[in-house]
Order: sequence, then structure tokens, then C-alpha cells
Amino acid sequence: AQSVTQLDSHVSVSEGTPVLLRCNYSSSYSPSLFWYVQHPNKGLQLLLKYTSAATLVKGINGFEAEFKKSETSFHLTKPSAHMSDAAEYFCVVSHPTGNQFYFGTGTSLTVIP
Amino acid sequence: DTEVTQTPKHLVMGMTNKKSLKCEQHMGHRAMYWYKQKAKKPPELMFVYSYEKLSINESVPSRFSPECPNSSLLNLHLHALQPEDSALYLCASSQAPLAGVIAQYFGPGTRLTVL
Repeated sequence: AQSVTQLDSHVSVSEGTPVLLRCNYSSSYSPSLFWYVQHPNKGLQLLLKYTSAATLVKGINGFEAEFKKSETSFHLTKPSAHMSDAAEYFCVVSHPTGNQFYFGTGTSLTVIP
Repeated sequence: DTEVTQTPKHLVMGMTNKKSLKCEQHMGHRAMYWYKQKAKKPPELMFVYSYEKLSINESVPSRFSPECPNSSLLNLHLHALQPEDSALYLCASSQAPLAGVIAQYFGPGTRLTVL
């Protein structure tokens, strides 16, 4: 079975400080993992995906995530938060067949000016 | 081009109305999805089409009826909805299953209000 747990429902950071959004996964297979961002009343935008080619994955807008198999984690980071980063973030794992995706409950990121 | 389009952006309907949501992608993707999303919650899968055939129906009530006329289009027909069906309806598409690491690409959604 596949599942993800987002460890924080809400994270608040000051503008210019680092961002850490935590995700742990459970998968019976080698997982495919993703991070999506959703701004209010918008669709979900793909930030990055883990392809097993490299454990450190770089995404858009300065975000990156590190796959750690020993810790079953795929945490999302950014060195310096920007006001525009305030949004909901979802960690997602997909089924090996490729057409079912399991969402975490989401982390709401607030950026304080 | 990684764009998925959805129309309309907003829809208000009564419980006796019949309406349709439309989704389109031109990325050559062969899997398309409908999700329902309530406020402050993750998207909930409703339907999956793979190669224009319905492959997954997550026990969705029959008042929601999906249709995939061709590989680029996905419709969701609505009839006799309930107020609790009010939500953001998201369409997504992805490459065919088993094509490596497959990512979903989402449209902007249709905000549905049922009165």
C-alpha cells in the first residue's frame, strides 16, 4: 500500500528565512514522489518529482527535496522564503501502475513579512 | 506546453439543473482524471480514464457522469446535485501508465456551487 504523511498541517516562516515542509511516505514498491503547490482558488502546480535518478531533486521557484530511503522521507526545502510562497503544499506518492496518486493532507505555509 | 484547461471557472446551479464541466489537454496524455476538492482538504479522486476508457470509479454517486469523447477531452455531466456537492472540481492529465515516472498536471478547476 502507498500513503504519505505530512507532519505539519501549518508552517509559518518569516520572509527570507528557510522553509522546511516535512513528508514521510509508505510504499510497498520503489516510490514515485511529488510535491505540488496550490495557491488559493487555483489548481495544483507540480513543484518537483522524484525519479530515482538522484536523491536531491531540484524543482521550480527555488524549491528542492531530498529522498531519504532510510528515513522514508521526502522533505521539501527552500533556502529563503518569499511572500509569493504562501500557499498549500501537497506531498503525493503514486501507485506503481502509474495512474493512482495518494495525497497527503497538506501543509499550509504562511510567510510573515 | 503543460496546460490543462477547464471551463467554466465558476458554476452556480440548482438541484434540478443539468450542467457539464469540460476539461481539455493537448500534451498527448492518455490518462485523465476528475477530482473533487473541499476547502482545506486534499483532492479526492473521482474518476480515471485511461486510453479513453473508464478505469477507476471511486464509488461516485450516479448524479456525476463522466465522459471522455477523445484523448484530449474530458467532461463531467452533473444532474440533480446536492448542496454538499459544492466544491472545487479539478481535472488532471498524465502520460499513459507504465511510462516511467508519471506526473499529473492539473487544470485551474471549476468552482461549483449548488443551491
